[in-house]
Amino acid sequence: EAGVAQSPRYKIIEKRQSVAFWCNPISGHATLYWYQQILGQGPKLLIQFQNNGVVDDSQLPKDRFSAERLKGVDSTLKIQPAKLEDSAVYLCASSKDSGVSGDTQYFGPGTRLTVL
Amino acid sequence: SQQGEEDPQALSIQEGENATMNCSYKTSINNLQWYRQNSGRGLVHLILIRSNEREKHSGRLRVTLDTSKKSSSLLITASRAADTASYFCATVRSSNTGKLIFGQGTTLQVKP
Repeated sequence: EAGVAQSPRYKIIEKRQSVAFWCNPISGHATLYWYQQILGQGPKLLIQFQNNGVVDDSQLPKDRFSAERLKGVDSTLKIQPAKLEDSAVYLCASSKDSGVSGDTQYFGPGTRLTVL
Repeated sequence: SQQGEEDPQALSIQEGENATMNCSYKTSINNLQWYRQNSGRGLVHLILIRSNEREKHSGRLRVTLDTSKKSSSLLITASRAADTASYFCATVRSSNTGKLIFGQGTTLQVKP
């Protein structure tokens, strides 16, 4: 079974530029998550989708971050414009069920973003 | 906001020794999960323990949960150099969407 795919693996941009990350979850997984992991910290959930609907985006900085999951499969996360404090690893994860019971999440390798 | 706090923040042991990491949390939970993250790699799920369980085993891993103290521990027995990684506990609160709330992690170094 193929795992969660993410691209690109690394991205370096200057502040105020825009950037987009892509995620393809495990086939058949209903729930998709985007996390932000700042160096030395644990991941923080940015947004959770169930199929193509948003379940939780309470910690997404909506003035600059946006995400979509078209057709309930793959997803993109965009930052526009980027700030220095957005430097982090962006992790995508998926789980089989609706996520309410806290099922096991499977993580992709992440995208390391550096904002200069 | 971070829910869990891991202790210690860093741990260094010799190969063959046991490693114990602790996690404390603040609110009632549905379950608690432990993840491992190797340098440059994504997170890997290790074990899930539900709020009505007290202990779980998986290979060389043993997890305990004490809901009265709001704490959990992860024991790795007979550690190997390959166990070198950061270990995170993550909780799922009793009443939410099932999202994971991670702690800060414990960095484990196993010396050959």
